[in-house]
Amino acid sequence: QKEVEQDPGPLSVPEGAIVSLNCTYSNSAFQYFMWYRQYSRKGPELLMYTYSSGNKEDGRFTAQVDKSSKYISLFIRDSQPSDSATYLCAMSAGGYQKVTFGTGTKLQVIP
Amino acid sequence: DAGVTQSPTHLIKTRGQQVTLRCSPKSGHDTVSWYQQALGQGPQFIFQYYEEEERQRGNFPDRFSGHQFPNYSSELNVNALLLGDSALYLCASTSQGTLKETQYFGPGTRLLVL
Repeated sequence: QKEVEQDPGPLSVPEGAIVSLNCTYSNSAFQYFMWYRQYSRKGPELLMYTYSSGNKEDGRFTAQVDKSSKYISLFIRDSQPSDSATYLCAMSAGGYQKVTFGTGTKLQVIP
Repeated sequence: DAGVTQSPTHLIKTRGQQVTLRCSPKSGHDTVSWYQQALGQGPQFIFQYYEEEERQRGNFPDRFSGHQFPNYSSELNVNALLLGDSALYLCASTSQGTLKETQYFGPGTRLLVL
């Protein structure tokens, strides 16, 4: 079993929809949780960085962490065609030390 | 600010050869991590360098080695290349100081082993 599980999709939604992306994990030591966006043939770009449980909002993006369920989510409101990319969840026991990534969910927002 | 830069962008090698990839971190960052990303997969952590020393290492064989220079730039060396080493190699930089909540990735070096 992988330490981090992420549905690879692809996920296709109409423009303006609310998108929900999720990951589950098995390592209880994980304390830091990140979401990255990766466009084709580019390096990942950090979207959200959170510590422990709770919610964090940044513009159209909201990250949620439920450590009791070992479940994290990223919500994208008012999705745009420019949001079409692969979204990677990532987590670690200590900041950016030894970060473990999910396989990524490919998202397509249809105009 | 140029961000994280990597060279070369693409590389083709044959099995058994050795390769060196290079990374310059974002200005103000002192810590460099290397990742391997196979097609359709998420990045896998190789190792992290800080203060010119390897601080953390993932589950990669000793064929993978690295170095960090006094200017914080870094190299990744892979010896005795295997077909399975074909991947996108990503460098990421962060800081142990006030910028510690940010990690920036470079565009990667795409390595093909034939």
